[in-house]
Amino acid sequence: GQQVMQIPQYQHVQEGEDFTTYCNSSTTLSNIQWYKQRPGGHPVFLIQLVKSGEVKKQKRLTFQFGEAKKNSSLHITATQTTDVGTYFCAGPDSWGKLQFGAGTQVVVTP
Amino acid sequence: DGGITQSPKYLFRKEGQNVTLSCEQNLNHDAMYWYRQDPGQGLRLIYYSQIVNDFQKGDIAEGYSVSREKKESFPLTVTSAQKNPTAFYLCASSISWDQSSYEQYFGPGTRLTVT
Repeated sequence: GQQVMQIPQYQHVQEGEDFTTYCNSSTTLSNIQWYKQRPGGHPVFLIQLVKSGEVKKQKRLTFQFGEAKKNSSLHITATQTTDVGTYFCAGPDSWGKLQFGAGTQVVVTP
Repeated sequence: DGGITQSPKYLFRKEGQNVTLSCEQNLNHDAMYWYRQDPGQGLRLIYYSQIVNDFQKGDIAEGYSVSREKKESFPLTVTSAQKNPTAFYLCASSISWDQSSYEQYFGPGTRLTVT
């Protein structure tokens, strides 16, 4: 079945630095969604990408969907302590069910 | 104030007991979902419901049961047949079943511990 993989699993970042987390699917995706889960909280929807090569920005967050629609990335510039949490990507399988990656846990050092 | 509520936040049970987790939404969403989250893993789909009075098994349905008698309610029962029930359970909803188009809204979750 479809697998969605995220790397890295953990990301330690100094406040003010940039970093990127990657999401790869074993199959072509019709779209990809990104969610953020704060420590002790629940996942919150961030964005959905649909088109090949699509790039969307939300303030310091830049999301990209690969040309082949099998991978995606999330780039955060000038990391802040409010960016702490786990970032999940998710894509629908052939049955329409969302398959979530294992997430990238981000820790920010002041 | 629209949203999804789950209760209780923490739940403790003895092995061999069935337990029911509640999930209520006032978003008027058709589709509802139950996920299980274990440390270091993503969310795994237990059951989903596209519309009231209908539900389907997800990827890890064994040992779980659900009902969808009302649009706003989708309770999950963790039965004694579930071999490793200790986990964080998340309920979610979306406007419709078409997951390829609609974001999911999550409840605060219930952390179940079975000893």
